[in-house]
Amino acid sequence: DGGITQSPKYLFRKEGQNVTLSCEQNLNHDAMYWYRQDPGQGLRLIYYSQIVNDFQKGDIAEGYSVSREKKESFPLTVTSAQKNPTAFYLCASPSWAEAFFGQGTRLTVV
Amino acid sequence: AQSVTQLGSHVSVSEGALVLLRCNYSSSVPPYLFWYVQYPNQGLQLLLKYTTGATLVKGINGFEAEFKKSETSFHLTKPSAHMSDAAEYFCAVEGGATNKLIFGTGTLLAVQP
Repeated sequence: DGGITQSPKYLFRKEGQNVTLSCEQNLNHDAMYWYRQDPGQGLRLIYYSQIVNDFQKGDIAEGYSVSREKKESFPLTVTSAQKNPTAFYLCASPSWAEAFFGQGTRLTVV
Repeated sequence: AQSVTQLGSHVSVSEGALVLLRCNYSSSVPPYLFWYVQYPNQGLQLLLKYTTGATLVKGINGFEAEFKKSETSFHLTKPSAHMSDAAEYFCAVEGGATNKLIFGTGTLLAVQP
């Protein structure tokens, strides 16, 4: 079945470390998005990519980086510059009038 | 620019009662509108969507929503709540040159027995 796979489901990071969240899709979609979810704040857009080798900053890009070298993959790196990285991260891949979501990665800084 | 406002971060209903979750949007172009549901520690699942055509949209699990352009609203309803409906619900709008999907802050629905 086509879908989006995020890994790992739970991730722990020490302060000052970079960490990379994986997002893979086999839907053959051009677009891929990363959202951050915090209680009471809904989903906020971090980065998005409409096509391979191209991506744009969303509303809260500071402290994050992405790459889009392959159509299937859109990894998100949470850098040490991100002041409050503990959150639930969701990867999505929209197609015409619908977005498909992964199951999310819960990142905790310890 | 597009935006979405969900009125009421928490809504509680009794089992069998009407569910009404409110969503108002702002968009400079004809919008696509969506409702998603999220269960704890999971991704989002599409309930229903409005793109063009009929303004009353039916979705999964007995939910429906009506697009009212004059009121810039897209409220979600279900005639009779079930315990399994307890979840968080997100309204979203897509439109404009970038086709970004913009979400509201969510409404947590509790269903009391």
